[in-house]
Parts: sequence; C-alpha cells; structure tokens
Amino acid sequence: NAGVMQNPRHLVRRRGQEARLRCSPMKGHSHVYWYRQLPEEGLKFMVYLQKENIIDESGMPKERFSAEFPKEGPSILRIQQVVRGDSAAYFCASSPGQGEGNEQFFGPGTRLTVL
Amino acid sequence: DAKTTQPNSMESNEEEPVHLPCNHSTISGTDYIHWYRQLPSQGPEYVIHGLTSNVNNRMASLAIAEDRKSSTLILHRATLRDAAVYYCILRRTGANSKLTFGKGITLSVRP
Repeated sequence: NAGVMQNPRHLVRRRGQEARLRCSPMKGHSHVYWYRQLPEEGLKFMVYLQKENIIDESGMPKERFSAEFPKEGPSILRIQQVVRGDSAAYFCASSPGQGEGNEQFFGPGTRLTVL
Repeated sequence: DAKTTQPNSMESNEEEPVHLPCNHSTISGTDYIHWYRQLPSQGPEYVIHGLTSNVNNRMASLAIAEDRKSSTLILHRATLRDAAVYYCILRRTGANSKLTFGKGITLSVRP
C-alpha cells in the first residue's frame, strides 16, 4: 500500500508564475490536509478537504492560493503569481476520516523555491 | 485550541531511554494527546496518541498524568534515527481534524 504521494518533490518558479502542487492520498483515504512549513518555522495548517468539498480553509492566504480535491484524481494546491515569500515546504496529509483514532499520514513534501 | 508547551531541545545517548515532556494545563475533557515527529527533510510521522490511560505501541509509550495536564513520550532505547523534532498536539475529537503544530522539541542523539 503506497503512502501519500506528492509531486513534484522540488519546484522552482520565477516571481509571477503559477505553482501547482499535487497530492495523491493513501488508498481508501478521503480526507486531505495541506500544511506549509516556512524556512526555520513550524508547520502551519492551510486547508482541509474531502472529496469535492473544502471543509476548512482557515489557514489559507486570502489571495492567490486555492485548493481542490476532485472526485477523481489528486488534490491540487495552486499558487498564482508566486512571490519569494511563498518559498517553503508544502506537506500534504491524508486520513480515512475524522475521529480521535484517525492519524494523519504525511507525504514527503514539495519544496517550492521562488526566484 | 488548547496549547501545549515543550522544552526547546533535549539530548540523549544512543540506546538509552528518552523521556520527552509536554505540558497542557488547559486541556479539555474531549482533547486527545497526539505525538508526531519530523525527521530532517521529511514529512511529519505519527508516533502515538492517548486520552487518559497510558499507551504503548511499537514506536513508543505515552504516559499521561492523572489530571491530564501533562504527558511524557517515552522512547525506550534511542537510536540515531530517532533524532527529530517531536510535536505534542492536542486534538479535539469530533471537531475539525487539523493538527496545530507548536515549535516541538528537538531531540539529539549522541552515538
């Protein structure tokens, strides 16, 4: 059973370009979470999605950032018009559902560098 | 969300037990205590969780104080691979399932 897959593992973009980060959850998991880790800082929650629904986007910047988890295919975190401050590691996690026992399984992350 | 406080760092010798403390004095009755760790350049990894009783699994043990205001993650025999940042997180059951990470405690293991 493959773990959470994220691609690309490393992404370089110039200021003003778009970045698309993909996350394939573990088989059977319908809950996806995105977290961001800025250099020398802790992990911060961004958004929580279930299939075709955004459940909690309280950690998402109001502009330029969007996320989706379609019925088919991976979850996508999209950053439009990237700026240098978007350079960070972006981690995706999945779980089978809510509840105290539903641990989150994390992917290896996508390291975004904005030039 | 209730907060947790952890020391910034701790050092241990290889093959010795390690006790990582966590204070959560404002914990509520529905908060579970979760521990995750993050090895260098990797994503976080679930370690263990509990509510009131002590818990054991293949990775570690979790000792929870009777008043639940503190807990201790116990690694029975530290290895070099256990060097990581360990996060103690409170997670309310039934509510949104996001994890709120603090600064964690950085564990160094000496050979």
